[in-house]
Amino acid sequence: DVVMTQTPPSLSVAIGQSVSISCKSSQSLVYSDGKTYLHWLLQSPGRSPKRLIYQVSNLGSGVPDRFSGTGSQKDFTLKISRVEAEDLGVYYCAQTTHFPFTFGSGTKLEIK
Amino acid sequence: VQLVESGGGLVQPGKSLKLSCSASGFTFSSYGMHWIRQAPGKGLDWVAYISSSSGTVYADAVKGRFTISRDNAKNTLYLQLNSLKSEDTAIYYCARTYQTRGGFDYWGQGVMVTVSS
Repeated sequence: DVVMTQTPPSLSVAIGQSVSISCKSSQSLVYSDGKTYLHWLLQSPGRSPKRLIYQVSNLGSGVPDRFSGTGSQKDFTLKISRVEAEDLGVYYCAQTTHFPFTFGSGTKLEIK
Repeated sequence: VQLVESGGGLVQPGKSLKLSCSASGFTFSSYGMHWIRQAPGKGLDWVAYISSSSGTVYADAVKGRFTISRDNAKNTLYLQLNSLKSEDTAIYYCARTYQTRGGFDYWGQGVMVTVSS
């Protein structure tokens, strides 16, 4: 199985600051079609997860452009510019290149 | 797009349960669907996938015990859980995908399954 390693496990940030979350996979996430199926999700407190970014860098529907994703092969980053209060929660990376699909262990974002 | 899970509850080890996920707001038959679970206080754990043509893939932890299925006429996704274990205790979410590897673009609110004697 592909192991997804997320760091840091938690972050505390002031409103307006920027943060980055790292996600590293144990195998390349490039599929045979040339695409990379690495996604980012946010689970706000008490809510179900919501898709933020798909295929490394594409913003999900309705997601503000303060969120951005970069990376390739085995090394990926989610950046949140100008953090807002509504951004608090747990961020997960997920790979859907290789079955079984797997998730990172999550990064908990707290607002100072 | 709306996904609404139901069928959860408290069940004894070794028993069975069937979860449902009612879909609306999109052409259900055209999309693949997933079940993903989250044990209390833990992270996300992928369980099973069914394609629009009803091909299926399972996580090793549930293979042979769980069955994912769909009824396109009823716009409903199912998960049959048999031989339940305490480690199956979790919130179960259904999620939509626009293609096999497209990720999880919409999620339901989840349904709790508790396996305990």
